Amino acid sequence: LAKTTQPISMDSYEGQEVNITCSHNNIATNDYITWYQQFPSQGPRFIIQGYKTKVTNEVASLFIPADRKSSTLSLPRVSLSDTAVYYCLVGEDSSASKIIFGSGTRLSIRP
Amino acid sequence: DAMVIQNPRYQVTQFGKPVTLSCSQTLNHNVMYWYQQKSSQAPKLLFHYYDKDFNNEADTPDNFQSRRPNTSFCFLDIRSPGLGDAAMYLCATSRESGNQPQHFGDGTRLSIL
Repeated sequence: LAKTTQPISMDSYEGQEVNITCSHNNIATNDYITWYQQFPSQGPRFIIQGYKTKVTNEVASLFIPADRKSSTLSLPRVSLSDTAVYYCLVGEDSSASKIIFGSGTRLSIRP
Repeated sequence: DAMVIQNPRYQVTQFGKPVTLSCSQTLNHNVMYWYQQKSSQAPKLLFHYYDKDFNNEADTPDNFQSRRPNTSFCFLDIRSPGLGDAAMYLCATSRESGNQPQHFGDGTRLSIL
């Protein structure tokens, strides 16, 4: 089961692009990378999932290098409402394995 | 249009008094999960159901039990709550297990007096 490592916290300003990197050196061949966002007193919310190269949706982009030992969540032009904890998870997209949340990155956006 | 609903949002119980938390889903997903999240920590998986098959995590205390009477509902029973069980309890669903995107409820915050 691949363990993930993320920065504990990050600060940025409104309108900036924010990149949060997650390390997963022991990622297995069948593992996918998933990111969740969590606001205080709410459950985590799925943001994006990917296997390799780049994935983009209306909320974020996910960049995964060829060796897949890390991944970067990119949030374009953040606003105050993007202040939250962001979790990176790694696991198989199958019925076999369990998912463990890493420690998460607390992102604070300032005006 | 809530899809995973947890009731109540806040629950207070006494030390040692059994308590049940409930979760319902309108997504018709096969898998339902229960997580415990303590302050400033990541969610920790307690157990999950794939349909009616129960899967307990190895380090989940025996004090925690679960029931899934049908596809839509899942319950978390804490038989004898201790002070250390005060936490947010999160229910989630996914279509299949593994690293499928999970849909979370907003949790029940449990306090122990």
